[in-house]
Amino acid sequence: QKEVEQDPGPLSVPEGAIVSLNCTYSNSAFQYFMWYRQYSRKGPELLMYTYSSGNKEDGRFTAQVDKSSKYISLFIRDSQPSDSATYLCAMSAGYGNKLVFGAGTILRVKS
Amino acid sequence: GAVVSQHPSRVICKSGTSVKIECRSLDFQATTMFWYRQFPKQSLMLMATSNEGSKATYEQGVEKDKFLINHASLTLSTLTVTSAHPEDSSFYICSARDQGGEDGYTFGSGTRLTVV
Repeated sequence: QKEVEQDPGPLSVPEGAIVSLNCTYSNSAFQYFMWYRQYSRKGPELLMYTYSSGNKEDGRFTAQVDKSSKYISLFIRDSQPSDSATYLCAMSAGYGNKLVFGAGTILRVKS
Repeated sequence: GAVVSQHPSRVICKSGTSVKIECRSLDFQATTMFWYRQFPKQSLMLMATSNEGSKATYEQGVEKDKFLINHASLTLSTLTVTSAHPEDSSFYICSARDQGGEDGYTFGSGTRLTVV
C-alpha cells in the first residue's frame, strides 16, 4: 500500500463545474499538506498549503484536511479550461521534511 | 512569493558525457533543497535531499556516484548526472523551502534531459 493514494483520473468536467480532488494517506505523522498544479513539462506550482486539520480558501480554491480520516481534498469552483493540468497532493511529517506525493490527478476542463 | 530558478530548462547530451543542472533560490536562503525525477505521466520521485555544507542524503536505489549533488551555498544546489546514458533521460526538478516563510515548498521549472 502506498503512503499516499490519489486517483490518477483523467477527470473530465465541463467549464464552470465544481471539481473535487482527493487524496488519502496512511501515515498519521503527516502534518503539512499541499496541493500543486503541474502543466505539461513544467515544474509543480503550489496552490494550497495547510497545516494540520481544517479548511483553507484562496479564490476559487478550497483545501480541506481531515486528519481523523486521513483524507484531504481540493475543490475548484467555476472551473476554467486553463485549470486543465495535473494536480498533485503532497504531504510531510515535519517542517522542512521531504514531501511524499500522490500519483497526481489529470484534470480536463472542457469549454 | 519564494522563487526557485532552475537551469537549463532543456539539455541534450551524448551518451557518456556529464551534465550539470543548477537550482537557485532567488530571494531566500535554503539550507535544504530536494531533487526529484519524473517520468512521463508519473508523479515525482525523490532522488536526494541536498544539505548546505554537508553531504546529500540519497533515497534508496539512487546511485550516489551517478547523481552527484553539491550544495555549496545557501542559495545554490547542483545535480550532476555523470556518464549519462539514454536511460537517464528524464525530467529533473528541484525544490526548496523558504525557512522564513509560511508557504510550502517551491519548485523549479524543471530540466528535461535527453541523452542520445
